[in-house]
Amino acid sequence: AQSVAQPEDQVNVAEGNPLTVKCTYSVSGNPYLFWYVQYPNRGLQFLLKYITGDNLVKGSYGFEAEFNKSQTSFHLKKPSALVSDSALYFCAVRVGSKSTFGDGTTLTVKP
Amino acid sequence: DTGVSQDPRHKITKRGQNVTFRCDPISEHNRLYWYRQTLGQGPEFLTYFQNEAQLEKSRLLSDRFSAERPKGSFSTLEIQRTEQGDSAMYLCASSLTNDQPQHFGDGTRLSIL
Repeated sequence: AQSVAQPEDQVNVAEGNPLTVKCTYSVSGNPYLFWYVQYPNRGLQFLLKYITGDNLVKGSYGFEAEFNKSQTSFHLKKPSALVSDSALYFCAVRVGSKSTFGDGTTLTVKP
Repeated sequence: DTGVSQDPRHKITKRGQNVTFRCDPISEHNRLYWYRQTLGQGPEFLTYFQNEAQLEKSRLLSDRFSAERPKGSFSTLEIQRTEQGDSAMYLCASSLTNDQPQHFGDGTRLSIL
């Protein structure tokens, strides 16, 4: 069975400060890892993915994520947060055709 | 816009009624997924199609739920004899391959009175 944990329900940061949204996972085999963002009453939008290769992956809107195999983590980061980054963020792990999502972290960036 | 579209966006129905939702994936995507999302949780996998074949179903998908993708293009999800616990957002997604991201529709929000 595969599982994803996002230990923080809420992350609050000031605009211009760096942000980190945490994700750890448990899976058998080598997973594909994804981050998605969701705005109210909308579907999920893809931010970035890790398949193989460099542990630091860069994605949309200046976001990046670091894959750490020994810690089974895939934390989402951004060097300088914007108010418009405020949204609900989901980490997902995929093995084969099946994706498992975390329960989400609400990011609030205050001016 | 050639993204994933879902219809209707909102559905309100009485308990015990049947409902059907439609999903139109991105045209070249042969993989199609249905998820259910409730408040405060991430999407929960329901079922997966590759072309017209339904290859995987979650244990969450009781016998009141049925999904089809008859021509390998659009898909429908039907819920028979709806219950209060069926109230949720139903999301459809499509992808080209397993290592590509899933593209999500904006969902159908089901409310059971």
